[in-house]
Amino acid sequence: DQQVKQNSPSLSVQEGRISILNCDYTNSMFDYFLWYKKYPAEGPTFLISISSIKDKNEDGRFTVFLNKSAKHLSLHIVPSQPGDSAVYFCAASPLFTQGGSEKLVFGKGTKLTVNP
Amino acid sequence: GAGVSQSPRYKVAKRGQDVALRCDPISGHVSLFWYQQALGQGPEFLTYFQNEAQLDKSGLPSDRFFAERPEGSVSTLKIQRTQQEDSAVYLCASSLAASGYEQYFGPGTRLTVT
Repeated sequence: DQQVKQNSPSLSVQEGRISILNCDYTNSMFDYFLWYKKYPAEGPTFLISISSIKDKNEDGRFTVFLNKSAKHLSLHIVPSQPGDSAVYFCAASPLFTQGGSEKLVFGKGTKLTVNP
Repeated sequence: GAGVSQSPRYKVAKRGQDVALRCDPISGHVSLFWYQQALGQGPEFLTYFQNEAQLDKSGLPSDRFFAERPEGSVSTLKIQRTQQEDSAVYLCASSLAASGYEQYFGPGTRLTVT
């Protein structure tokens, strides 16, 4: 049972436009969410995170929105650039676990292509 | 070094061989995680260390998988008697502390079992 779902395997946008990547989760214990970007043959690179006490976090061209009641988050990239072309992973974890670890649970990823 | 490093980057093993994968985390990072990423999937958790203590190994798929971090820095993931289904990219990540901090990933080791 997938706890973090990215239902769009791919997305294509024009340079300069907005890219919106979506993510849904099922586990109500999750309260810390992250987006990672991955280029081929490299490890995932941290982009931006948000905790459940917020509904928005912004860092330059990247904004993450969290709708806790809908168990949904999205990553907005404005304006999109060709260098943003990569696979984007949504990840989630509980902030605090009893005797456990703050392991990340990942979605399957969305491949973003930004066309010049 | 500035980031997480892993070695080897690529490993080809014959079925039944043992392999050892190494991870050098970012200096000063307390937490270290191992993940397995199959083709077309997201990374999946294997095990977690806080300093030298292995606090969570719930993701290890079988007793052929073993991980250690004896001095609280470098970690080794060992797979005994490799099987074809072990073929994947093995990612190591470290973070400053256990909770609420982003994890920084290494480039991964691509293991192919023939």
